[in-house]
This record gives sequence, C-alpha cells and structure tokens, in this order.
Amino acid sequence: TQLLEQSPQFLSIQEGENLTVYCNSSSVFSSLQWYRQEPGEGPVLLVTVVTGGEVKKLKRLTFQFGDARKDSSLHITAAQPGDTGLYLCAGSLSNDYKLSFGAGTTVTVRA
Amino acid sequence: DSGVTQTPKHLITATGQRVTLRCSPRSGDLSVYWYQQSLDQGLQFLIQYYNGEERAKGNILERFSAQQFPDLHSELNLSSLELGDSALYFCASSATSGRSNEQFFGPGTRLTVL
Repeated sequence: TQLLEQSPQFLSIQEGENLTVYCNSSSVFSSLQWYRQEPGEGPVLLVTVVTGGEVKKLKRLTFQFGDARKDSSLHITAAQPGDTGLYLCAGSLSNDYKLSFGAGTTVTVRA
Repeated sequence: DSGVTQTPKHLITATGQRVTLRCSPRSGDLSVYWYQQSLDQGLQFLIQYYNGEERAKGNILERFSAQQFPDLHSELNLSSLELGDSALYFCASSATSGRSNEQFFGPGTRLTVL
C-alpha cells in the first residue's frame, strides 16, 4: 500500500486545457515535494511545501498543501505539450529522513 | 542539470554478477539517497547516508550495500544479481537531512540483468 495515493494515474488533455493532479494520504507530512520526470531521466524538483494551507505558484503551475498537511494538489493552467511527463508527489513524515513517493500521474498534452 | 552525477549511464550484466554504481552529490550536499525505480514498483527508497554515516534504510535487499566516502561520493553495490533487479537506480542529494528534505536527483543508471 502506497503511503501517498496519486490520482488520476493517467491524464490526456488537449493543449490549452487545465488539469489537476491530486496527492492524498492518511498521514501527516512535515513537507511535501512535487517532481516531474521525463522518460529515462531523473525526477526534477518543482516545488516544496511545508506549511498547511500553503499555495505556491510556478508560472502556470499552482501547488497547494492541505490545511492538515495530509494532501496536496497540482493545477496546471493552459497546459502545453512541454508539460507532458510523469508528475510525482513525495513526502517526508515527521522525524523520518526518507521521502515516500506516490506512484505518479502520467500527463500527456496533445498539440 | 541538477548537479548530481551518476555513472555509468547504462549497465548490462548477467545473473549472479556484482556491479557498483557511483554517485557524486551536488557540491556542498552532505546527504546522499539511493532509489530504485521499476515499472511495477515505482520509486522505492533504498538507503540514505549523511556525511559518511548511514542515516536511514528503506527496502534495501541484503544483497545490496552502499557506502559514502570522505569526499562524499557514494557507491551502491549490487551482488548476486537477479533478473528482477533490472531497474533504474537513482541517486539524490540534499544539503541536510532535515525537515524540508529537498532532494535533487541524478540522471540515473539503467541496470539490465540478463
């Protein structure tokens, strides 16, 4: 059983549409990261959130950390083909040094 | 470019063999993490070293071992290889092992066991 559940598993949309990816858990995290991974390459860190209710924006990407620090969402506005990739959420539990990763959401943006 | 380097990029070997994967962390980072990524398991944490000392262990098999050297580079040793060990192996580094735990990943080593 994954500590972090991501949904949906796959998402295929047309260029210009919006999308949201969810990351949920029953556990409380001291921090949560979002990564994007291209095939055959290492995950690239997009953002870190540490405070419940925190919202961070990175150009067309908006990240939100739930008030209870158990869930997070990634929203992409006006998606572009360059946004295609595997999006992974990862969290650290309190007093735990390791990152636990969700299974990922594969996003495909069609031109 | 994350600043984390891994060698080799690809490794093809036979069952029963032993291989060593190498990682150099970002300049100044003291923590090194190893992960295994396979199609059916996703990214799985293996082990963490902080400034030369083992800090945390995850789902690492007894056939696997790692170490971090005084210059902070790390090696992951995989022995008695099995077909199921074929996967992408990633190294990540972070400045500390603290709360925010931002990790920066290397490009990975693709291991194929035939």
